[in-house]
Amino acid sequence: KAGVTQTPRYLIKTRGQQVTLSCSPISGHRSVSWYQQTPGQGLQFLFEYFSETQRNKGNFPGRFSGRQFSNSRSEMNVSTLELGDSALYLCASRRGERETQYFGPGTRLLVL
Amino acid sequence: AQKVTQAQTEISVVEKEDVTLDCVYETRDTTYYLFWYKQPPSGELVFLIRRNSFDEQNEISGRYSWNFQKSTSSFNFTITASQVVDSAVYFCALSEQGSNYKLTFGKGTLLTVNP
Repeated sequence: KAGVTQTPRYLIKTRGQQVTLSCSPISGHRSVSWYQQTPGQGLQFLFEYFSETQRNKGNFPGRFSGRQFSNSRSEMNVSTLELGDSALYLCASRRGERETQYFGPGTRLLVL
Repeated sequence: AQKVTQAQTEISVVEKEDVTLDCVYETRDTTYYLFWYKQPPSGELVFLIRRNSFDEQNEISGRYSWNFQKSTSSFNFTITASQVVDSAVYFCALSEQGSNYKLTFGKGTLLTVNP
């Protein structure tokens, strides 16, 4: 069974731009969670989607948003990029409520 | 609030040594899950093990073993006869009942195994 895939793997943007990252979960997994990883803050939860609905959100500004499609694929969007948004963005999928989260390879975003 | 502490920031060992990575957690919930993930330089978090709060049995998988002790709120991970391929950052994580969508991670321990 294919794992979680994320595209693109690497991205360079400039301040003020916006960016969209994509995540395809493992087949049959309906929940997708997003995390931001930075050297200073470590791994932090961004939000979770289930059946096309955002169910939970971490402590991030409104510039961070996302959505989920009917095939469970998810996108996250960051508008008005700041230098501090440079990070590894990881998505994880799971099959059900008490199931393990499996992570994708991440998207490395560099904001110049 | 839940919290995970990995006090060891970096560990360096020589191949074939045994190494233990410490993890201490805080939670008010009686039902929770603990995890270990491995992050090689490529960046992907690789799932290693999951334990629920009702299962204190220790687990062994090949060269890996885990010691879960509720009395000390610890979930330690031991690698026996370490190998160079074990070099990675290891994360301990916690999720509470009712919030399984969200993992709270420790800061990670960078393990370097030298030949």
